[in-house]
Amino acid sequence: SQQGEEDPQALSIQEGENATMNCSYKTSINNLQWYRQNSGRGLVHLILIRSNEREKHSGRLRVTLDTSKKSSSLLITASRAADTASYFCATALNSGGYQKVTFGTGTKLQVIP
Amino acid sequence: NAGVMQNPRHLVRRRGQEARLRCSPMKGHSHVYWYRQLPEEGLKFMVYLQKENIIDESGMPKERFSAEFPKEGPSILRIQQVVRGDSAAYFCASSTGANVLTFGAGSRLTVL
Repeated sequence: SQQGEEDPQALSIQEGENATMNCSYKTSINNLQWYRQNSGRGLVHLILIRSNEREKHSGRLRVTLDTSKKSSSLLITASRAADTASYFCATALNSGGYQKVTFGTGTKLQVIP
Repeated sequence: NAGVMQNPRHLVRRRGQEARLRCSPMKGHSHVYWYRQLPEEGLKFMVYLQKENIIDESGMPKERFSAEFPKEGPSILRIQQVVRGDSAAYFCASSTGANVLTFGAGSRLTVL
């Protein structure tokens, strides 16, 4: 079953604006990851935030995690046309040396030049 | 380091035929995941394997679908007696068992 639900499903912004995507999940996690998928391609890992972290930055990306609300957000600042892609959150739960990773439904981002 | 290699990239089968999708994980990775993606949708978990073991197959249909990851060679996702509803992109990812997944480019199955 899908673990994460993302909001919005689709987002269209002008180049230079910020894009915020949200992810809600249902069960306990060890970490939450964000991935990007360009049309017709495989997913590429962007950033990982552990369950004991609240915020993490990587370049123009900022991720927050609120485990009490079981939610995360991904902020892309100063967006570029090249940021156009689908973005997925993924929750990871470790058990007995194994890590199950379950993906959300995704947000389709379009950045208009 | 060639990353995760999936083949074939595109596969066309007629209803009732078998489809075999192969995935060679990244060097040093012993954990393999298979996901299925329908157009404009998210990734649905199918199966999680480690060398010679199926760790979690809760997302795999009970009939017609099987997966293996032998001691030598790639992981294989096998779909017997394909139906039109099996048409999708099938993605493989590998990891060390912790943290980040590295994805392959996917195999696109079309059932006529």
